[in-house]
Amino acid sequence: SQQGEEDPQALSIQEGENATMNCSYKTSINNLQWYRQNSGRGLVHLILIRSNEREKHSGRLRVTLDTSKKSSSLLITASRAADTASYFCATAGTYKYIFGTGTRLKVLA
Amino acid sequence: GAGVSQSPSNKVTEKGKDVELRCDPISGHTALYWYRQSLGQGLEFLIYFQGNSAPDKSGLPSDRFSAERTGGSVSTLTIQRTQQEDSAVYLCASSPQGQGRGYTFGSGTRLTVV
Repeated sequence: SQQGEEDPQALSIQEGENATMNCSYKTSINNLQWYRQNSGRGLVHLILIRSNEREKHSGRLRVTLDTSKKSSSLLITASRAADTASYFCATAGTYKYIFGTGTRLKVLA
Repeated sequence: GAGVSQSPSNKVTEKGKDVELRCDPISGHTALYWYRQSLGQGLEFLIYFQGNSAPDKSGLPSDRFSAERTGGSVSTLTIQRTQQEDSAVYLCASSPQGQGRGYTFGSGTRLTVV
């Protein structure tokens, strides 16, 4: 069974706007990661947030984690056309990550 | 190598035939994972290898699927008597030992069963 569920399933914004994606999960986790996938192939690791962290930044990315609500959000600021991709959250209880169904982001130039 | 290498990148096979998919992980990465992604869907966990430990095969969908990892490095995923529902992108990932390490994914093998 899948652990993470992303919301929304699809998002379309104008270049320069911010994009926010949410992830909800069901069981306790050790950490949560966000990945990007272009063209339905390999995923690229973006950021990892541990269960004892509440917020983390990496460049234009900001990730928050609320373990009490079992949810995380990924914010991409000042979006670019190159950010067009699918974004997945992945949660880890022990050693393997369970991936959500993803958010398809389209950034319009 | 510099990244995770998967081959072939694309495979078209007839229903009922066997296929082998190969994954060459990053040198030194002890953990290796196989996932499957159907069109427009999330990633489905298949199998996990960690060093010399027994693999976690809990995600394999049927006994037609098997995988091995030789010498703690290259892994082969075998699908016997392929069915049309096996059509998907098969993704391999590796990571260093220890929790909380991001995966490095290969580019995947797109399998089409006709």
